[in-house]
Amino acid sequence: AQSVTQLGSHVSVSEGALVLLRCNYSSSVPPYLFWYVQYPNQGLQLLLKYTSAATLVKGINGFEAEFKKSETSFHLTKPSAHMSDAAEYFCAVSSSYYGNNRLAFGKGNQVVVIP
Amino acid sequence: DADVTQTPRNRITKTGKRIMLECSQTKGHDRMYWYRQDPGLGLRLIYYSFDVKDINKGEISDGYSVSRQAQAKFSLSLESAIPNQTALYFCATRGEMNTEAFFGQGTRLTVV
Repeated sequence: AQSVTQLGSHVSVSEGALVLLRCNYSSSVPPYLFWYVQYPNQGLQLLLKYTSAATLVKGINGFEAEFKKSETSFHLTKPSAHMSDAAEYFCAVSSSYYGNNRLAFGKGNQVVVIP
Repeated sequence: DADVTQTPRNRITKTGKRIMLECSQTKGHDRMYWYRQDPGLGLRLIYYSFDVKDINKGEISDGYSVSRQAQAKFSLSLESAIPNQTALYFCATRGEMNTEAFFGQGTRLTVV
């Protein structure tokens, strides 16, 4: 079954510094990949998604992610962190070849932005 | 109004009680899901449904049951709540295969 790995449950970044969150996936068939953000006391909101159209995907709030098949990765980046980026971020994978079409999530990265 | 609405938002219940969490959606999607979120464990799938007559167990279905009353409504029940079911529960919907999921605001359940 497909799965994703997110390393480092807590990530601290200085305001203005690069945000880099790593996601590696496991799937025997072409994957569809997603990044979600969860702000305190809220549900999950889609940041961006990869659906095979382009390997570099731009999302909301200045985030982007690059799909690298050779590395089975879909890392999330933002050039300059803002205080409002403090949240929990989840990577997720789905695949059309699985009949149940599940959306499997990583364990998440809690991002703390240091002023 | 939100596309996916969960009720209640917060609930405290006692061990052994039966409790139902409700979810309704206005997206017109056939696919609906119940997830559980625990700190450090991400979201784990409890049950999912692809239409009114289709109910499937997820990875952690023990102790839970669901009902798909209509295309727009999908409820989750804890038949006899236990403390380790204390968690944040999310309902989600999806349209076509491999599209993104849309989430409700979550229900924070505490079992004492």
